[in-house]
Amino acid sequence: QVQLTESGPGLVHPSETLSLTCTVSGFSLTGYSVYWVRQPSGKGLEWMGRMRYNGDTSYNSALKSRLSISRDTSKNQVFLKMNSLQTDDTGTYYCTRNSGYGAFDYWGQGVMVTVSS
Amino acid sequence: DIQMTQSPSFLSASVGDRVTINCKASQNINKYLNWYQQKLGEAPKRLIYNTNNLQTGIPSRFSGSGSGTDYTLTISSLQPEDFATYFCLQHNSFPLTFGSGTKLEIK
Repeated sequence: QVQLTESGPGLVHPSETLSLTCTVSGFSLTGYSVYWVRQPSGKGLEWMGRMRYNGDTSYNSALKSRLSISRDTSKNQVFLKMNSLQTDDTGTYYCTRNSGYGAFDYWGQGVMVTVSS
Repeated sequence: DIQMTQSPSFLSASVGDRVTINCKASQNINKYLNWYQQKLGEAPKRLIYNTNNLQTGIPSRFSGSGSGTDYTLTISSLQPEDFATYFCLQHNSFPLTFGSGTKLEIK
């Protein structure tokens, strides 16, 4: 069955870079796009960016200068890197699959990231 | 960016009640509106996609309606397992944007 699992460090220091991995199973990254979504603490959900099935990427303009998304199709993994982290980047980060018709059909359960010194 | 205004933020109801949750978009989103359920520590679950299409495996007590800028999720008869947080997503245009969520609690 379709599964997405986020992993990464629970704690990042201010000004450092966050690196997260989304490991997928039950589908191919060359057939579906994977998106990153976050929920900063006390705030709503925010679309961050996407890795399309064809390898193209796009980013939320609000985060574009700090964000990079890549993938390793042989390992079924999508990566997120975001630099210059601040305390308001604390929150839960999710990866989700775009079904194409009807947007996000499956989500990971999220990874909590705390930005603190 | 399209703003999604979701209401109410909190809803207290009893088992068996009929409840509605609303999302209003700041512009026409052409029915590209999904509804999700989220329980603490779990992955969000898609309930409804493209306004009124029930996700496979989701009970028929969940339904969606709307058009243009106004959309509604209805739960016809609340069950104990329905107490959770619900949010909407517009996928008509980038950046994709979400409602702020509705926490449905037991009265």
